[in-house]
Amino acid sequence: DGGITQSPKYLFRKEGQNVTLSCEQNLNHDAMYWYRQDPGQGLRLIYYSQIVNDFQKGDIAEGYSVSREKKESFPLTVTSAQKNPTAFYLCASSIVGGVGTEAFFGQGTRLTVV
Amino acid sequence: GENVEQHPSTLSVQEGDSAVIKCTYSDSASNYFPWYKQELGKRPQLIIDIRSNVGEKKDQRIAVTLNKTAKHFSLHITETQPEDSAVYFCAASREAAGNKLTFGGGTRVLVKP
Repeated sequence: DGGITQSPKYLFRKEGQNVTLSCEQNLNHDAMYWYRQDPGQGLRLIYYSQIVNDFQKGDIAEGYSVSREKKESFPLTVTSAQKNPTAFYLCASSIVGGVGTEAFFGQGTRLTVV
Repeated sequence: GENVEQHPSTLSVQEGDSAVIKCTYSDSASNYFPWYKQELGKRPQLIIDIRSNVGEKKDQRIAVTLNKTAKHFSLHITETQPEDSAVYFCAASREAAGNKLTFGGGTRVLVKP
């Protein structure tokens, strides 16, 4: 069953803690993305990667870090430097090349600071 | 960078009526414009897309139009049904920027039976 999987579905973080959100895909896609979704707002790009061992900052990268050691995996770490981390986080993947390609989304991780 | 504005933020229609959502974009080099539907608690899913070499595309009850000169594109849903109730997002990207999508703020559509 091909797709993109995020875990966990719900995550609670204490103030000052770093947490890592998992994203795995078996679609053989080169590109992977992390988006943040706040209530009533659109999706904002945090980081993206088009190839293993390379990634670029998106519009709201401050307080986040990523790695891309394997094609299938693109974990996102929310650091203590992110002052307002409570949000819904969506991971996506797509092929690279051509004019426009469909992005496939995971089911999301809802992060709450307690 | 690219900026995408989406209107309205909420839309309530009677079942059977049409719904129209409009988006404008700022980067004239953008050449791909998808629309995603997100049902409550679920992941966004592509419902239709259009590339800059065409002005209109239709798929059953949904259609998208693109005006490159004015830099705006619209989603049209005809004969709305209760299952069309969801949040709809427009987006834009350009090949030279690695096809990364910039999303609009979303439109919450409610279809009243």
